[in-house]
Amino acid sequence: EAQVTQNPRYLITVTGKKLTVTCSQNMNHEYMSWYRQDPGLGLRQIYYSMNVEVTDKGDVPEGYKVSRKEKRNFPLILESPSPNQTSLYFCASSLVGGVDTQYFGPGTRLTVL
Amino acid sequence: QKEVEQDPGPLSVPEGAIVSLNCTYSNSAFQYFMWYRQYSRKGPELLMYTYSSGNKEDGRFTAQVDKSSKYISLFIRDSQPSDSATYLCAMSAELYSSASKIIFGSGTRLSIRP
Repeated sequence: EAQVTQNPRYLITVTGKKLTVTCSQNMNHEYMSWYRQDPGLGLRQIYYSMNVEVTDKGDVPEGYKVSRKEKRNFPLILESPSPNQTSLYFCASSLVGGVDTQYFGPGTRLTVL
Repeated sequence: QKEVEQDPGPLSVPEGAIVSLNCTYSNSAFQYFMWYRQYSRKGPELLMYTYSSGNKEDGRFTAQVDKSSKYISLFIRDSQPSDSATYLCAMSAELYSSASKIIFGSGTRLSIRP
């Protein structure tokens, strides 16, 4: 089954404790992206990657890191999480990016205390 | 001012009603318009995609774009309880770009009463 998977689905952590949210897709897509979704603000792009070893900042990259060492994986790293990073996070992939159909993962709800 | 404005709702209508969901935008460069549907505890999924002005129909769903008014709409005919979800509009100025940027609305929560 074609899908984007994220882990963990739920995470409660404390300020400053490094964490990684994994994202994997099995559709051989070139483009992958991370979004955060907050009430009233909609989906905002954090980082995106056009291909392996190619990443770029989205609208709200501060406090986040990503890497794209393999085509299928695009982990999101919070080196020192803060309470304002409490949010619902989505990973997405598409064949070539742009307005090509994006396939979203199920989401990771992160709470930073 | 946000680039894309969307009424958050919630919008509650009886089963069988026609639903109208709308977004306004400020960037006249937007040419590509999308509607995503997001069920509770799920990621968004693409529902419809249109280019420039005009209408596009897919089953019970019709997407409408009025670029002169910077206004887009999604109509749902014969609404069903299974249509209950949050609907997000999204738009972009470019089809494919190394710096492609899609702007999402904040979503309208829709509930269809049986």
